[in-house]
Amino acid sequence: DIVMTQTPLSSPVTLGQPASISCRSSQSLVHSDGNTYLSWLQQRPGQPPRLLIYQISNRFSGVPDRFSGSGAGTDFTLKISRVEAEDVGVYYCTQATQFPLTFGGGTKVEIK
Amino acid sequence: QITLKESGPTLVKPTQTLTLTCTFSGFSLSTSEVGVGWIRQPPGKALEWLALIFWSDDKYYSPSLKSRLTITKDTSKNQVVLAMTNMDPVDTATYFCAHYQAATIGLDFWGQGTLVTVSS
Repeated sequence: DIVMTQTPLSSPVTLGQPASISCRSSQSLVHSDGNTYLSWLQQRPGQPPRLLIYQISNRFSGVPDRFSGSGAGTDFTLKISRVEAEDVGVYYCTQATQFPLTFGGGTKVEIK
Repeated sequence: QITLKESGPTLVKPTQTLTLTCTFSGFSLSTSEVGVGWIRQPPGKALEWLALIFWSDDKYYSPSLKSRLTITKDTSKNQVVLAMTNMDPVDTATYFCAHYQAATIGLDFWGQGTLVTVSS
């Protein structure tokens, strides 16, 4: 299984300031078709997960452009350029390059 | 507009079999590259993938739970059913189903989830 490791566990951020979350996979997420199936999910309190970013850096429909993804191979980053109150929640990275699908342990973004 | 909704018992006893149904709209499970997956989340913990079924009827299971899981689809009813045998209190969790778009996105649209408690 591919193990997904996220850091930090928690990220207290001042409103309007940037936030960054890292995700590392135990093996390369480059698929045999050349694509890298690394996604980021947001889970607000009491809500189901919501897809933010897919294939490393593609924003899903309706996702604000303050969210961006980057990385390659085994190291990936989600950045929020200016944190807003509605961004509070837990963020997960997940891979769909191979089965079983796996998730990171989550990073909690909270307001200072 | 893709929507999914989970349904099933909220309380099951230890050793019983849990059967959950995912009813969806906005897509067809007979369309190439489409699948429906199940994921669970124990209270206050991270997400755990359980199983996935494709339009082709190919099925994938979590290796650690494979012996207890069965996933099936009813394309005419737009439903996917997950059965989990021999339930234990550690299986208490919110269970989600989600639309899966292969070769592009992965898990994109999620249901609201249903909380299942295992207790005698």
